[in-house]
Amino acid sequence: KQEVTQIPAALSVPEGENLVLNCSFTDSAIYNLQWFRQDPGKGLTSLLLIQSSQREQTSGRLNASLDKSSGRSTLYIAASQPGDSATYLCAVIPLSIYNTDKLIFGTGTRLQVFP
Amino acid sequence: DAGVIQSPRHEVTEMGQEVTLRCKPISGHDYLFWYRQTMMRGLELLIYFNNNVPIDDSGMPEDRFSAKMPNASFSTLKIQPSEPRDSAVYFCASRGAQGNYGYTFGSGTRLTVV
Repeated sequence: KQEVTQIPAALSVPEGENLVLNCSFTDSAIYNLQWFRQDPGKGLTSLLLIQSSQREQTSGRLNASLDKSSGRSTLYIAASQPGDSATYLCAVIPLSIYNTDKLIFGTGTRLQVFP
Repeated sequence: DAGVIQSPRHEVTEMGQEVTLRCKPISGHDYLFWYRQTMMRGLELLIYFNNNVPIDDSGMPEDRFSAKMPNASFSTLKIQPSEPRDSAVYFCASRGAQGNYGYTFGSGTRLTVV
């Protein structure tokens, strides 16, 4: 059974720091991996999607990498800002002979960036 | 595109009452998913549809929960009768069959059963 874990569970940093959020998954057979952001009381906003054949994706100050063999992904946030404060979730779609549709979520990292 | 639209945003109901949550997926998306989020269990997949057909409902907690997708632009999740432990945020998401397979989530319905 695929399990997704995120470390750290919470992170508080001063503005301007470069951050690394970690995501681990137990089964390397995945279809793709997606990073989301969730603001308090809000829905999920998709940040980056990495296909299984890709190594990384970039969007602005965000860079996500994927290492399937080791079952890990990292989300790098450059020059953090208070507006980056949110919970960050990673999710994988397992590659299964039964279906490739289920998005399995990690536990999330709650980030706070203070001025 | 307005994204995935859910209604209502908030619902407060008494135990035993029927609750219906609604979702309009992104036009052209072939897949629709219902998730539930709680502090204790995080995000859990309840059920999903492909081309309006339920594919996997193994996450539906019990018979009190039912979901329908009568057409490509509308889905409902019904709880009857509701119980306090059903209190959670319910998210609907949709995804296309082609392209990058990215998911788009709605803003969620916060359900409180008292």
